[in-house]
Amino acid sequence: AQSVTQPDIHITVSEGASLELRCNYSYGATPYLFWYVQSPGQGLQLLLKYFSGDTLVQGIKGFEAEFKRSQSSFNLRKPSVHWSDAAEYFCAVAPRGGSYIPTFGRGTSLIVHP
Amino acid sequence: DGGITQSPKYLFRKEGQNVTLSCEQNLNHDAMYWYRQDPGQGLRLIYYSQIVNDFQKGDIAEGYSVSREKKESFPLTVTSAQKNPTAFYLCASSPLPGRISYGYTFGSGTRLTVV
Repeated sequence: AQSVTQPDIHITVSEGASLELRCNYSYGATPYLFWYVQSPGQGLQLLLKYFSGDTLVQGIKGFEAEFKRSQSSFNLRKPSVHWSDAAEYFCAVAPRGGSYIPTFGRGTSLIVHP
Repeated sequence: DGGITQSPKYLFRKEGQNVTLSCEQNLNHDAMYWYRQDPGQGLRLIYYSQIVNDFQKGDIAEGYSVSREKKESFPLTVTSAQKNPTAFYLCASSPLPGRISYGYTFGSGTRLTVV
């Protein structure tokens, strides 16, 4: 069965520190890969996506993610976290065919200390 | 600016009552989706539609109904058969799956509470 795992429910970092949020997936073939961010009481906003090509993907708000086929991972990174980055982050994967409906991870809540 | 509008932002439902959540998009997206979000459970797909007058059940369709009479609109009805409807409901849209621009645009959500 297809699945997406975000192993960290909560991550706490200090403002200015680097950040890495983990995402692992289980799929028969390389899927489409996404990271979304959700502020409290709001919808989700697309941060970045990977379809093909360069495995290091740049997104909005200074985020990047690296696709590692051998590890079935798509980890999200940011070199220096700002207090406004505090939010819920969701990894999602979608098959490259059929309905293309994505599966979302359960999310990682990012807490930023001043 | 193009986007998705969900209304109302907050909705209260009495026991045994049907309620309808509105979702409108002006992005010219073909596909629209409804998700339910509960704390710690991520997003679960209720229904989706990839073309007008056609829709498909998602993982948790029981107790919900939808219609897609117009490309721009995809309302969700939470029926009295849904025994635990209190949740945050998110509507999303996307270009036709498989296109390079593929990716969801989300509305700002409707919080439904049973009173």
